[in-house]
Amino acid sequence: TQLLEQSPQFLSIQEGENLTVYCNSSSVFSSLQWYRQEPGEGPVLLVTVVTGGEVKKLKRLTFQFGDARKDSSLHITAAQTGDTGLYLCAGGRGSRLTFGEGTQLTVNP
Amino acid sequence: KAGVTQTPRYLIKTRGQQVTLSCSPISGHRSVSWYQQTPGQGLQFLFEYFSETQRNKGNFPGRFSGRQFSNSRSEMNVSTLELGDSALYLCASSLERAGEGYEQYFGPGTRLTVT
Repeated sequence: TQLLEQSPQFLSIQEGENLTVYCNSSSVFSSLQWYRQEPGEGPVLLVTVVTGGEVKKLKRLTFQFGDARKDSSLHITAAQTGDTGLYLCAGGRGSRLTFGEGTQLTVNP
Repeated sequence: KAGVTQTPRYLIKTRGQQVTLSCSPISGHRSVSWYQQTPGQGLQFLFEYFSETQRNKGNFPGRFSGRQFSNSRSEMNVSTLELGDSALYLCASSLERAGEGYEQYFGPGTRLTVT
């Protein structure tokens, strides 16, 4: 069974701070995706990383895929209250995705 | 393009009953996956359908089943409901693009409560 471990599980910060969320596995994935989920809604895809060492930026969010394609990180610069949500990483082989348990981020005004 | 739609959004059932949930994927997407999300277990994969065939299956009992129609719409069924089946059931559709992974687009989910 492929497992994805996310850390930290909970994170509460003040607006304007920076943060990094980690997603680690002992298995290699062909791709890794990050999602953000708000209460009562489905996850929304933020980014897909495919190549080992790849870095993608989405405004204040920076995503990195590890060289060995076993881990990933999400860095948020100058967090805003609108960034509050559950951040999920998901990896897999082919069409079957395995999700981490998520990082619940709260950005306080 | 319209997103993934799921019906109903909320459902309350009694133990022992059965339930059918529906999912309409994004137009042109042929793959539909179902997930169960609970606070304790997170997002767990149920099964995936592609072109009306089950392509992948998670580790859930046989009470959980699904199907896909020729228009890619999918249904999942849970029979003999148990209290532990209370969860948010999410459907995701995917457009497979070589070299870009299987990006999945989720619907809003169906919140099932079993009493």
